[in-house]
Amino acid sequence: GAGVSQSPSNKVTEKGKDVELRCDPISGHTALYWYRQSLGQGLEFLIYFQGNSAPDKSGLPSDRFSAERTGGSVSTLTIQRTQQEDSAVYLCASSELVGYTGELFFGEGSRLTVL
Amino acid sequence: ILNVEQSPQSLHVQEGDSTNFTCSFPSSNFYALHWYRWETAKSPEALFVMTLNGDEKKKGRISATLNTKEGYSYLYIKGSQPEDSATYLCAFWATDSWGKLQFGAGTQVVVTP
Repeated sequence: GAGVSQSPSNKVTEKGKDVELRCDPISGHTALYWYRQSLGQGLEFLIYFQGNSAPDKSGLPSDRFSAERTGGSVSTLTIQRTQQEDSAVYLCASSELVGYTGELFFGEGSRLTVL
Repeated sequence: ILNVEQSPQSLHVQEGDSTNFTCSFPSSNFYALHWYRWETAKSPEALFVMTLNGDEKKKGRISATLNTKEGYSYLYIKGSQPEDSATYLCAFWATDSWGKLQFGAGTQVVVTP
């Protein structure tokens, strides 16, 4: 596609349920990033992928969070046993390469609300 | 944890006025500094990527400067227009935090006609 695509755009779930958020980056972009913005907060780095590899997972808030990327393309961020503090806008971005001093291209985000 | 700070947190500008705001970041291990504009209900869009001390970039009425030795960047908007209303984010990339583009909390700009 022309841009970074994220789905769902909105997700309301009950506390304790699992959710999956999907990101489809720009074709040919090898670097993919996940961020989240909680209410009143700045963009919080979660994880990045170079190809299918995630060299540093230390930004994930807890072991309930996991992410994978397959085929060097689509990425899924999974949150298990969701908690109310997980409510946020989850943003995905891609770029040509990690370390390439070019811009990140962002999707429109997935807004997660945990009741 | 890297400290990327933006000030002010918000500002109101009259249409036609010029304004500027600041991003400060660690002066060591500098790799790149990004500026993004984030309009309500849209995705963040890149304005500038700056890599060299003394860099000055310009896009239309918006420009930015970079001082890596003292760890700050200024973003300037000349002759503000209502369509400039957005949150402006800076992001810092350190050589020892590969892949982690760390964002500041942003400066929210409201331009009133």
